[in-house]
Amino acid sequence: DIQMTQSPSFLSASVGDRVTINCKASQNINRYLNWYQQKLGEAPKLLIYNANSLQTGIPSRFSGSGSGTDFTLTISSLQPEDVATYFCLQHNSWPWTFGGGTKLELK
Amino acid sequence: QVKLQQSGAELVKPGASVKLSCKTSGYTFSTSYMSWFKQIPGQSIEWIGMIYAGDGGTGYNQKFKGKATLTVDTSSSTAYMDLSSLTTEDSAVYFCARAGGDYWGQGVMVTVSS
Repeated sequence: DIQMTQSPSFLSASVGDRVTINCKASQNINRYLNWYQQKLGEAPKLLIYNANSLQTGIPSRFSGSGSGTDFTLTISSLQPEDVATYFCLQHNSWPWTFGGGTKLELK
Repeated sequence: QVKLQQSGAELVKPGASVKLSCKTSGYTFSTSYMSWFKQIPGQSIEWIGMIYAGDGGTGYNQKFKGKATLTVDTSSSTAYMDLSSLTTEDSAVYFCARAGGDYWGQGVMVTVSS
């Protein structure tokens, strides 16, 4: 199985900060990497698909980059409503696997 | 708009089975894939498997083979997941999601307890 190592596990930042979250795959996954936001008690929400494509309806402050084994989710200017846990998901090969998650809170 | 509506919370006894449903609307179910996921609260997410509604073809995470069985009813645009021989380790929130993971159901909590 492909292991997805996500960092950091916890992140505290201020409104307006630029925030980056990383995912590293244990082998090449091309660009088959999605990013999700999950708020407490809710289902995950797709933010970015195929590494760098913004899902419809998602604010442009969210962006994704990377290919191969190293990927980054960037929030250009953190907003209060962005407090959540973020997960990466590789869908290059079965079984699909998730990163361990990054819990983002406001400083 | 695309909607995935899952059945309600379940409290089941160890050793029992449970069948979860995921009723869809707003897209062509019969030519789509559906994935299922497991999440223990406070932890990350695991992919259980996927089913193609067109022919019922399935693919499973090896970890869940023998535990989960995926089926569909195209007449009602509903996907199902059977979980068998339940133990406390199966207590979790289970989600369905249109393959690709773009739209998700709201999740259903399954609690296994005597």
